[in-house]
Amino acid sequence: RKEVEQDPGPFNVPEGATVAFNCTYSNSASQSFFWYRQDCRKEPKLLMSVYSSGNEDGRFTAQLNRASQYISLLIRDSKLSDSATYLCVVNNWGYSSASKIIFGSGTRLSIRP
Amino acid sequence: DAGVTQSPTHLIKTRGQHVTLRCSPISGHKSVSWYQQVLGQGPQFIFQYYEKEERGRGNFPDRFSARQFPNYSSELNVNALLLGDSALYLCASSLSGEPLPNYGYTFGSGTRLTVV
Repeated sequence: RKEVEQDPGPFNVPEGATVAFNCTYSNSASQSFFWYRQDCRKEPKLLMSVYSSGNEDGRFTAQLNRASQYISLLIRDSKLSDSATYLCVVNNWGYSSASKIIFGSGTRLSIRP
Repeated sequence: DAGVTQSPTHLIKTRGQHVTLRCSPISGHKSVSWYQQVLGQGPQFIFQYYEKEERGRGNFPDRFSARQFPNYSSELNVNALLLGDSALYLCASSLSGEPLPNYGYTFGSGTRLTVV
């Protein structure tokens, strides 16, 4: 089982739609979580951190469920500019040196006009 | 302020050759991490250096090595290149070794390595 798993998509949704992605992780002691956005042939950029209480940034809402070991990202009122790959990132700092910061394979999102 | 800078941006090498990739972190950041990203996959952790010491190593062969200099810049070296080493190599910079909430890691734009 992969340490961090994401549905690869692609998700193809119309502009204005609401879309949600999930990401599951295997290490129950993982300490912190992030969502990154990566545009085609560009570097990943931090979208938002994910907190246990859930957090919102404009149209984006991130949730963490430690009991079920998954995090989610909800995008409301999607824009064409939201088209990108969304990477789930899990921080296992302090554990085995080969598993500190783990990226999922990413979920591709395409917004159509 | 300059962000994370990587050089070169693109590189073409032949199988068996050696390559050195360079990274300068954001000013004041003491940690540099290296990632390999092949097409269609998420970045895979290669190395992390903090205060010039290796803090972590991913599941990569010994052909991969790295170091961090007193000014916190870093080099990634890959020997005996294979076709499968073709990828985007990303450098990530952070204040401390651990990604902090709201800051995470800041990535450079990467070096795209093609091995032919």
